[in-house]
Amino acid sequence: AQRVTQPEKLLSVFKGAPVELKCNYSYSGSPELFWYVQYSRQRLQLLLRHISRESIKGFTADLNKGETSFHLKKPFAQEEDSAMYYCALSIGNQFYFGTGTSLTVIP
Amino acid sequence: GAVVSQHPSWVICKSGTSVKIECRSLDFQATTMFWYRQFPKQSLMLMATSNEGSKATYEQGVEKDKFLINHASLTLSTLTVTSAHPEDSSFYICSATGILSYNEQFFGPGTRLTVL
Repeated sequence: AQRVTQPEKLLSVFKGAPVELKCNYSYSGSPELFWYVQYSRQRLQLLLRHISRESIKGFTADLNKGETSFHLKKPFAQEEDSAMYYCALSIGNQFYFGTGTSLTVIP
Repeated sequence: GAVVSQHPSWVICKSGTSVKIECRSLDFQATTMFWYRQFPKQSLMLMATSNEGSKATYEQGVEKDKFLINHASLTLSTLTVTSAHPEDSSFYICSATGILSYNEQFFGPGTRLTVL
């Protein structure tokens, strides 16, 4: 069964519009969740993790245990946000990645 | 942040030959390394997880005799694609976590394998 679900394969928003990339997970324990980003022609890199509760490049993600979600949000999308975004769940030393969402910010 | 390198970055080989890809953690000790495969414009597919000094754990559907993984030291893991065929052509990515990385994975730049 898929541990991490990203329902949107492709997402397009206009510059300046809010953006939300959805992520749901399947785990009954205390999850450790991450968002990774892959910009064009670059390697995957960590965007943020729920433990640190920080905002990176204007993105935030709140863990909702009731809904088992960890959606990634940004109030005003920028063109440079166009990239592939992956939600990931860590259980022990096992990692589970979602299928990714390709975000395109239209100028 | 921590740096992970892969070598080679691109390799072309003939069908039937074997190819070795190296993944190195340059400035930290990688207790766990992961190998992924990525098809064009598609998601990452985890192939296997390897811990230093022990056998790799392969994901369902990944042939362990075809994709040999060795993690002999805390800074090096290798993936050998044995008897490669055109369908093995793909982008292979490794990542690593260390004791002090708090489960953050550091990714290599990937290796593009083309099998003719």
